[in-house]
Amino acid sequence: DSGVTQTPKHLITATGQRVTLRCSPRSGDLSVYWYQQSLDQGLQFLIQYYNGEERAKGNILERFSAQQFPDLHSELNLSSLELGDSALYFCASSGLRLAGSQETQYFGPGTRLLVL
Amino acid sequence: AQKVTQAQTEISVVEKEDVTLDCVYETRDTTYYLFWYKQPPSGELVFLIRRNSFDEQNEISGRYSWNFQKSTSSFNFTITASQVVDSAVYFCSHQGGSEKLVFGKGTKLTVNP
Repeated sequence: DSGVTQTPKHLITATGQRVTLRCSPRSGDLSVYWYQQSLDQGLQFLIQYYNGEERAKGNILERFSAQQFPDLHSELNLSSLELGDSALYFCASSGLRLAGSQETQYFGPGTRLLVL
Repeated sequence: AQKVTQAQTEISVVEKEDVTLDCVYETRDTTYYLFWYKQPPSGELVFLIRRNSFDEQNEISGRYSWNFQKSTSSFNFTITASQVVDSAVYFCSHQGGSEKLVFGKGTKLTVNP
């Protein structure tokens, strides 16, 4: 158990809908990362938050957004869903007690999203 | 940009065989980290090892060992005396100046009894 929790574990929805994925980092970790794992693209970095602020952006679609709340949990919002958005979405957290210290990222169990 | 290549898409071995998973990376960062993660059939990503670019010492942890060679930009992972429970997809990844992880495509290891 990495200490990172994600809900829900599974999500089935229809095209055009909007969903919210939730992540709680390990206790004390300030940084949260979101990754998408799909069959064609593999594991790809989406976005990172550090202590409530966006820190880095990867290949994240404009239909997707995220935020990190004062209690450090994070939510990834996916809207206008398409079939191709079906994937496993991972959240990871790290301490980053010093800016840029590149600490190990520990991953949650993932949310498996199926868009029908 | 960073790139991680895991040329072996799938490997199948018989229990107790040794197996090496290859990882080659490209980077312009002078300081970087390399990682291996394991993804068992249940789907979670399990951290295995983190290696600093300045530390080329090989590391052994039980049946697992890692060989980091900066001269060839490789960070290979060997499982000795493989077991059925080692069956999983293994990912090599790179972390450079930005904190994001760049992953290889993964190697699916199947250990048959």
